[in-house]
Amino acid sequence: AQTVTQSQPEMSVQEAETVTLSCTYDTSESDYYLFWYKQPPSRQMILVIRQEAYKQQNATENRFSVNFQKAAKSFSLKISDSQLGDAAMYFCAYRIKAAGNKLTFGGGTRVLVKP
Amino acid sequence: DTGVSQDPRHKITKRGQNVTFRCDPISEHNRLYWYRQTLGQGPEFLTYFQNEAQLEKSRLLSDRFSAERPKGSFSTLEIQRTEQGDSAMYLCASSPWPVAGIPTDTQYFGPGTRLTVL
Repeated sequence: AQTVTQSQPEMSVQEAETVTLSCTYDTSESDYYLFWYKQPPSRQMILVIRQEAYKQQNATENRFSVNFQKAAKSFSLKISDSQLGDAAMYFCAYRIKAAGNKLTFGGGTRVLVKP
Repeated sequence: DTGVSQDPRHKITKRGQNVTFRCDPISEHNRLYWYRQTLGQGPEFLTYFQNEAQLEKSRLLSDRFSAERPKGSFSTLEIQRTEQGDSAMYLCASSPWPVAGIPTDTQYFGPGTRLTVL
């Protein structure tokens, strides 16, 4: 079975500091996309960042960056200069190109931001 | 902002009743997805439409569940004879037609319908 594992149920970070969320996945496919989604409390899920597996360069989006290690099947998210609005559940997900369009999600990591 | 909308946002029903949820995708998005999210878990894929064709169904989608997208625009998800185990957030997402050179595989999610089965 293809799975996504987020080993940290909850992470706490001081405002303006940096936090890193871990994600590992298990697939035998070589062509896929990886995503981090953010789900604020009682609000809809929004895309934070995406990475194409064939690209070695790590994706960045403003304060958000990833560390993609394809051989290790690891896809961690770094949030720099954390802000109060970053408090949310963060989900790691992937989509296998040859297996349709469904996303397979991890169990999520709750990020708490302390002022 | 014409994002993905879902109706109703909350539904409380008694075990054994039928319920129907509606999803309106972003205009001109031809792909539509349904996911289920139980408390404290990540979303799980249920089914996927491309235009009006239902192209993929998860094993999670038992015969009590049916989804339609009759005109390739909005979609409905019906659960018959609801059970307490059906209590969850039902999420809808949409994505546009792939265009060469443009990453269009991003799925845009709606706010979800929270179902509580008593």
